[in-house]
Amino acid sequence: DQQVKQNSPSLSVQEGRISILNCDYTNSMFDYFLWYKKYPAEGPTFLISISSIKDKNEDGRFTVFLNKSAKHLSLHIVPSQPGDSAVYFCAASFPGAQKLVFGQGTRLTINP
Amino acid sequence: SQTIHQWPATLVQPVGSPLSLECTVEGTSNPNLYWYRQAAGRGLQLLFYSVGIGQISSEVPQNLSASRPQDRQFILSSKKLLLSDSGFYLCAWSPGPETQYFGPGTRLLVL
Repeated sequence: DQQVKQNSPSLSVQEGRISILNCDYTNSMFDYFLWYKKYPAEGPTFLISISSIKDKNEDGRFTVFLNKSAKHLSLHIVPSQPGDSAVYFCAASFPGAQKLVFGQGTRLTINP
Repeated sequence: SQTIHQWPATLVQPVGSPLSLECTVEGTSNPNLYWYRQAAGRGLQLLFYSVGIGQISSEVPQNLSASRPQDRQFILSSKKLLLSDSGFYLCAWSPGPETQYFGPGTRLLVL
């Protein structure tokens, strides 16, 4: 049972435009959500997170939006840069849980 | 600052051979520790996690095992590797139940 889903395995965006990566979840008990970025043959790096008490969190070019009623979160990157080309994972956690549940990842390609 | 180390970076092993991957964390104490595997073209699969020395939780039944002999050391082992064990193995640490920080990973190829 995939509790966190990233339904788009890949996304291609032109440099300078906005990249929107989507993530859906099924368990309404999740209370904390994270986005990670991963380059090939490297470990994922933490990008941005959001608590379920908020609906938006912004950090520079990265903004995460949370829609609890739709059980949906999205990561917006604007403007997109070539260095943003990577695989992006969303993850979620339960209150007090010691582990994260990851989505399958979306490969973002920024075209010049 | 905290750093996490994994070795080796790359490993090629024959089927049926043993495995030992090591992960160490510096600059923190009593971290939560995690082992993940990313198979080719797949997402991150949590294999084991540990909230303290000697405390191991297994997420997926398989021929792998994990041990935490010291506070900041986490070891992934196998007595006999299978072809399906090939993948990219990631260790991560966390100060608590939320954000995790990943190591550089070990690429394992079982032939």
